[in-house]
Amino acid sequence: DGGITQSPKYLFRKEGQNVTLSCEQNLNHDAMYWYRQDPGQGLRLIYYSQIVNDFQKGDIAEGYSVSREKKESFPLTVTSAQKNPTAFYLCASSNQGVYEQYFGPGTRLTVT
Amino acid sequence: AQSVTQLDSQVPVFEEAPVELRCNYSSSVSVYLFWYVQYPNQGLQLLLKYLSGSTLVESINGFEAEFNKSQTSFHLRKPSVHISDTAEYFCAVTLGGYNKLIFGAGTRLAVHP
Repeated sequence: DGGITQSPKYLFRKEGQNVTLSCEQNLNHDAMYWYRQDPGQGLRLIYYSQIVNDFQKGDIAEGYSVSREKKESFPLTVTSAQKNPTAFYLCASSNQGVYEQYFGPGTRLTVT
Repeated sequence: AQSVTQLDSQVPVFEEAPVELRCNYSSSVSVYLFWYVQYPNQGLQLLLKYLSGSTLVESINGFEAEFNKSQTSFHLRKPSVHISDTAEYFCAVTLGGYNKLIFGAGTRLAVHP
């Protein structure tokens, strides 16, 4: 089955540690996105990538980093510089000429 | 810049009653419109979309939405809801291509027996 996988589903970290969230897609989509979801705020774009080895900052990129070394993979690193990292993180992908985005199941990150 | 306003943060309704979830957007150019549904602790699923053509679009599970350009609205309706429709619903717009989706804050639909 084609789709987007995110792992792990739940992640716990201590404050001050970097953590990397995985996102893999087998839809052969060109573009991939990372969103952050907080209660009552909808989804906010962190980073997106249209092609391999290229990515752009979204609205709330501070404290995050990404890489796009393979078309199928777009990992997100939440660094210790992110002041409020506890949130639900969603990865999505889309293809040229198709306007909707397809979402993974999400990773809930809790930092204490 | 585009923005999306979902006018109700929560909508409680009894089973088999009709429901409308309101969405207004602002944009100086044409946009594409979407409704996504999110069940607890899951990702978002596309419910329906308006790209062009007929202003009334329907989903396979009985929801429909109408694009109203003059009122810049894309309200979601269902004539008779089920318990299983309980979820959070997000309205979103995009300029198309690889432009980002801009989401509303979401409306939590709670269907009671």
